[in-house]
Amino acid sequence: QLQLQESGPGLVKPSETLSLTCTVSGDSVRSDNYYWGWIRQSPGKGLEWIGSIYYSGSTSYNPSLKSRVTISVDTSKNQFSLNLNSVTAADTAVFYCARVVVVSGNWFDPWGQGTLVTVSS
Amino acid sequence: FMLTQPHSVSESPGKTVTISCTRSSGSIATNFVQWYQQRPGSSPTTVIYEDNQRPSGVPDRFSGFIDSSSNSASLTISGLEPEDEAEYYCQSYDSNNHVVFGGGTKLTVL
Repeated sequence: QLQLQESGPGLVKPSETLSLTCTVSGDSVRSDNYYWGWIRQSPGKGLEWIGSIYYSGSTSYNPSLKSRVTISVDTSKNQFSLNLNSVTAADTAVFYCARVVVVSGNWFDPWGQGTLVTVSS
Repeated sequence: FMLTQPHSVSESPGKTVTISCTRSSGSIATNFVQWYQQRPGSSPTTVIYEDNQRPSGVPDRFSGFIDSSSNSASLTISGLEPEDEAEYYCQSYDSNNHVVFGGGTKLTVL
């Protein structure tokens, strides 16, 4: 059964870089038919797509975050990662990783359990 | 583009409710629409993908439709049950594979 698990610091200082890793079990990040994505949800707010990556390293980013985001993949560890730099309090959110089905459409399933990252000094 | 959903809807158990999702620009029919259910404290789960397909395990009380005349998608839940109370999000994408989520609709089962 496919499972995704986010990990990383729960507290990041303003202006620093937020770094999270998603560990995939039950499937390979090298799967041909899938991308791997990050989505965030600010407290009490809706979902915001951050970006997605293919195992080859090909990426797609939300234009509103593109200047601050880097997503990478480590096929040897079956993981993919998110870096978001120059964070502010507005970046406080629950961050989810998910498999992205791209064979038909572009949708997320399943999702990890999510991890709360707070930006505060 | 943006996807606009009503902030909230409510209905009684056993009844039918429909949640709309209107695309601001570009045709709603060009790119598939998905619907996710998010219960409090939980991660989203897919209830509809590719406009009208249900993942295994999702009851057939959930159905998705596309209406090109109003440039909108809709999620209909029939035979409402208390467990259907949740936030529902529509999602689509553009020609560059940039993903967009609707703002979410809180469904209250009275």
